[in-house]
Amino acid sequence: AQSVSQHNHHVILSEAASLELGCNYSYGGTVNLFWYVQYPGQHLQLLLKYFSGDPLVKGIKGFEAEFIKSKFSFNLRKPSVQWSDTAEYFCAVNPSGGSYIPTFGRGTSLIVHP
Amino acid sequence: DVKVTQSSRYLVKRTGEKVFLECVQDMDHENMFWYRQDPGLGLRLIYFSYDVKMKEKGDIPEGYSVSREKKERFSLILESASTNQTSMYLCASSSDRTGAATEQYFGPGTRLTVT
Repeated sequence: AQSVSQHNHHVILSEAASLELGCNYSYGGTVNLFWYVQYPGQHLQLLLKYFSGDPLVKGIKGFEAEFIKSKFSFNLRKPSVQWSDTAEYFCAVNPSGGSYIPTFGRGTSLIVHP
Repeated sequence: DVKVTQSSRYLVKRTGEKVFLECVQDMDHENMFWYRQDPGLGLRLIYFSYDVKMKEKGDIPEGYSVSREKKERFSLILESASTNQTSMYLCASSSDRTGAATEQYFGPGTRLTVT
């Protein structure tokens, strides 16, 4: 069974700082990868996803993620965070062609100070 | 725009009560899911359904059951609520049974407190 690790459980940044949230998965085959975000008081929503092609994926609100197959990683990045990026971020993985049920990481809580 | 709605945002129940959590999606999705979300534990899958009247256990099904009588509706039932079931419950749906690339759409969640 696959697993997903998010190494940063809590991240605190000041506005304009750069962000990188780590996500590693364990699965030997081809995967589909997702980042979801949950803003305070709101529902979980898709930030971006990778399923094939360019390993650098761009999502909403200036976020991007890079799939590095050799490192089994799908790290989320943003060059300059805003106070409104304060949220919980979840990485998820699905083996391609297999189950449609993703495995989620435990989440990273990001607080951005104005 | 996909919409997943849940019957209650907040619910307070007593130990031993039977609890029903309802979820409805309006995009004709085949797949529906129930998760619980706890701090530091992320999302844990309770049950899922890939078709009407079909259900499969997730990672933590104990103490829960589900019902899917109509495609758009997926209910989570706590047969006898206990304090360790105090949590945030999230419903989700997705459109393609075999397409692992498809994303999930989540409801706003129900925060259940069992006293």
